Amino acid sequence: NAGVTQTPKFRILKIGQSMTLQCAQDMNHNYMYWYRQDPGMGLKLIYYSVGAGITDKGEVPNGYNVSRSTTEDFPLRLELAAPSQTSVYFCASSYSWGKGNTEAFFGQGTRLTVV
Amino acid sequence: QQQVKQSPQSLIVQKGGISIINCAYENTAFDYFPWYQQFPGKGPALLIAIRPDVSEKKEGRFTISFNKSAKQFSLHIMDSQPGDSATYFCAASMRDFGNEKLTFGTGTRLTIIP
Repeated sequence: NAGVTQTPKFRILKIGQSMTLQCAQDMNHNYMYWYRQDPGMGLKLIYYSVGAGITDKGEVPNGYNVSRSTTEDFPLRLELAAPSQTSVYFCASSYSWGKGNTEAFFGQGTRLTVV
Repeated sequence: QQQVKQSPQSLIVQKGGISIINCAYENTAFDYFPWYQQFPGKGPALLIAIRPDVSEKKEGRFTISFNKSAKQFSLHIMDSQPGDSATYFCAASMRDFGNEKLTFGTGTRLTIIP
């Protein structure tokens, strides 16, 4: 049981480049999330999804896009990377209240540096 | 708008002592309060959680105390060990489909010294 898998683990981008952070879960969770973690700032929600085909903005969505075409996958797209997007990105998944345990499972993170 | 406030930002405790981390929330619609533990280079993992129908929940050396009227909850780690050194996040969510996303506090870096 792999849980939540994120790729890549590390990436250096130049200003203005774009990339996609991949996230996949094999627990059949309906909720999926993307958080960014900056030192001393906790975890900020970028986007989340309550199921395939449904996404919504979190606290800090600017500069990012997501899609959810399947239950398993929730990629995060960065367009025109900026130094302010240097951070550690975490993908997570969970059930909703009506489906069972609401524990959120996190991936190992992607450390992104924009130079 | 920070809906979950956590303190302290960092904490140093001697081995065998009690570690206490506090959180306060604003949204009275929150009804699920988990604590997550994160080791360096890893993603956060659920440690213990409480719902507001009880005032305390204990699992081993870890206890959550919950004060609904004050809108506060805290994590107590008894007999703290060096292996407990990690960053701890409190969080909150509500039972409302489409709004169940977790809102996290800013984290507390706990260091247990021998």
